[in-house]
Amino acid sequence: GNSVTQMEGPVTLSEEAFLTINCTYTATGYPSLFWYVQYPGEGLQLLLKATKADDKGSNKGFEATYRKETTSFHLEKGSVQVSDSAVYFCALSEREYGNKLVFGAGTILRVKS
Amino acid sequence: DVKVTQSSRYLVKRTGEKVFLECVQDMDHENMFWYRQDPGLGLRLIYFSYDVKMKEKGDIPEGYSVSREKKERFSLILESASTNQTSMYLCASSSGLAGYLYEQYFGPGTRLTVT
Repeated sequence: GNSVTQMEGPVTLSEEAFLTINCTYTATGYPSLFWYVQYPGEGLQLLLKATKADDKGSNKGFEATYRKETTSFHLEKGSVQVSDSAVYFCALSEREYGNKLVFGAGTILRVKS
Repeated sequence: DVKVTQSSRYLVKRTGEKVFLECVQDMDHENMFWYRQDPGLGLRLIYFSYDVKMKEKGDIPEGYSVSREKKERFSLILESASTNQTSMYLCASSSGLAGYLYEQYFGPGTRLTVT
């Protein structure tokens, strides 16, 4: 079945450091890929998405590229801020799988000033 | 501004009680979902619905049921709460038949404690 694996956290970085959170997936067809972010005390909100191979999603300085050959969708940001401290979830959705989202376990990011 | 609201942010119930969690969306979305979120496990799908009065089991439906009498409202029911149902419950909605292309919009969550 479909699954998403993302790197375990927590990830602790200093302000202005480079961020990478790895995400790989298993799917039977051609899924859409998402990164969601959950700030403390809030629900999830979409950070970025990509719906086909080689698409790059970007938002708020974050980027991720849909790599079909490596089944990956790694999240990157060039310079993190304290306000980026949150839990980040990688997820996939596939038409053949009923439009449901399958989530990774989540990665806690802590940014120190 | 799009909105998914959940009836309670925090709830404490006793073992064996019947528990209702309510979710309302104002975006006229066809699809609605209930997840539970546990540390290290991410979000797991309990039930979902593509239309009024329709429901489908997700990955962990045991011990839960749902009701969707109106398009904007999706209720999660714990028939007899147990301590292993202590968790954060998140409701979400999304648009249309091509929902796999579109984001899901999430409510703020209900943290349920069963004692």
